[in-house]
Amino acid sequence: AQKVTQAQTEISVVEKEDVTLDCVYETRDTTYYLFWYKQPPSGELVFLIRRNSFDEQNEISGRYSWNFQKSTSSFNFTITASQVVDSAVYFCALSASMNRDDKIIFGKGTRLHILP
Amino acid sequence: EPEVTQTPSHQVTQMGQEVILRCVPISNHLYFYWYRQILGQKVEFLVSFYNNEISEKSEIFDDQFSVERPDGSNFTLKIRSTKLEDSAMYFCASASGRPAGELFFGEGSRLTVL
Repeated sequence: AQKVTQAQTEISVVEKEDVTLDCVYETRDTTYYLFWYKQPPSGELVFLIRRNSFDEQNEISGRYSWNFQKSTSSFNFTITASQVVDSAVYFCALSASMNRDDKIIFGKGTRLHILP
Repeated sequence: EPEVTQTPSHQVTQMGQEVILRCVPISNHLYFYWYRQILGQKVEFLVSFYNNEISEKSEIFDDQFSVERPDGSNFTLKIRSTKLEDSAMYFCASASGRPAGELFFGEGSRLTVL
């Protein structure tokens, strides 16, 4: 069974603070992909990152960084120097199994409020 | 930049009515998906479609739902007899390949069943 857990339902931080969104996943597959999507108040789903299970290198993109640790089955997302525009719901997601048209399983999301 | 487009953006219907949600995937993509998000909840997989047939469907995707790609460009989701609990945002997505290529999502179609 595949599962994505985002234990933080809602987080509020003051602008310019750093914030980390946690994601823990479960899968028996050895090959899988992890994703983060952003859903701003307008409702669309915006792709942020994809990481495959063989690449544990952390990634940084501007103020965003991701920490992938297979040992703890975690794929955490950090926003540095947060801005009000970062306010959104963030979904962590997993796709596994090389042999099928792989659907993506989403976590329940973390609603992030950046307060001015 | 190519994008997935969905129509209508919002539809209000009476319970029991048929609804068709339309999607135009990115033109060279081969894999198509519908997802559903009940207000304030997680995004849930409904169905995936490849090579003109359903490749996988969730338990949510019962006999009331159907998908088709009638003309090689549109990808539709039909709900035959809507129920109140079908009220949700429906997202179409497409991908160029697998495994787990980046899914490009449309902006969603909000369905309100009264």
